[in-house]
Amino acid sequence: AQKITQTQPGMFVQEKEAVTLDCTYDTSDPSYGLFWYKQPSSGEMIFLIYQGSYDQQNATEGRYSLNFQKARKSANLVISASQLGDSAMYFCAMSPIKAAGNKLTFGGGTRVLVKP
Amino acid sequence: DTEVTQTPKHLVMGMTNKKSLKCEQHMGHRAMYWYKQKAKKPPELMFVYSYEKLSINESVPSRFSPECPNSSLLNLHLHALQPEDSALYLCASSQHPQGLAKNIQYFGAGTRLSVL
Repeated sequence: AQKITQTQPGMFVQEKEAVTLDCTYDTSDPSYGLFWYKQPSSGEMIFLIYQGSYDQQNATEGRYSLNFQKARKSANLVISASQLGDSAMYFCAMSPIKAAGNKLTFGGGTRVLVKP
Repeated sequence: DTEVTQTPKHLVMGMTNKKSLKCEQHMGHRAMYWYKQKAKKPPELMFVYSYEKLSINESVPSRFSPECPNSSLLNLHLHALQPEDSALYLCASSQHPQGLAKNIQYFGAGTRLSVL
């Protein structure tokens, strides 16, 4: 079984500052993928960034970077230079990398509000 | 292009109605998913279609009936729903049905369903 924990239900961040969203996970699968999604109030789940458990480097996608610490089972998302449009719910998710599995397990989410 | 299109955006139905939700993708993806999301909660997987065949049913009540007419289309037929079925219904697709590395699920904007 897999479990994702996001301990920050909500947070404020000042525009143009960086923010770190915490995500810890638990799994018995040796190979897995970690994902971050953004969900604005409109409802769409927007894929942001992916990290494979065997990737040697931390993933980056524009202003998003993933601080992956495998031994600690954490995959924190860092958003640099926050913008007002970053206000949304953010979900961390994981999926095993194996033949029978492509089920995403989501954390409870963190709501981010960017202040001008 | 990573677009998944869902229609309608909003739906209000009575408990005796029959309605359908539609999802379409033209990315050549071979796996499609239905999720249910209640307010302030993460999405919950309902069904997975792999190569147009139902591969996962997460013990969903029979009043929800999925259908995959072809590799680009996914429907969710609704009948005799209950008020507690009111939620955001999200469709997603991924390139592969199996749990492969970087097998990202791309989501549509969802259908907000209200059952009266």
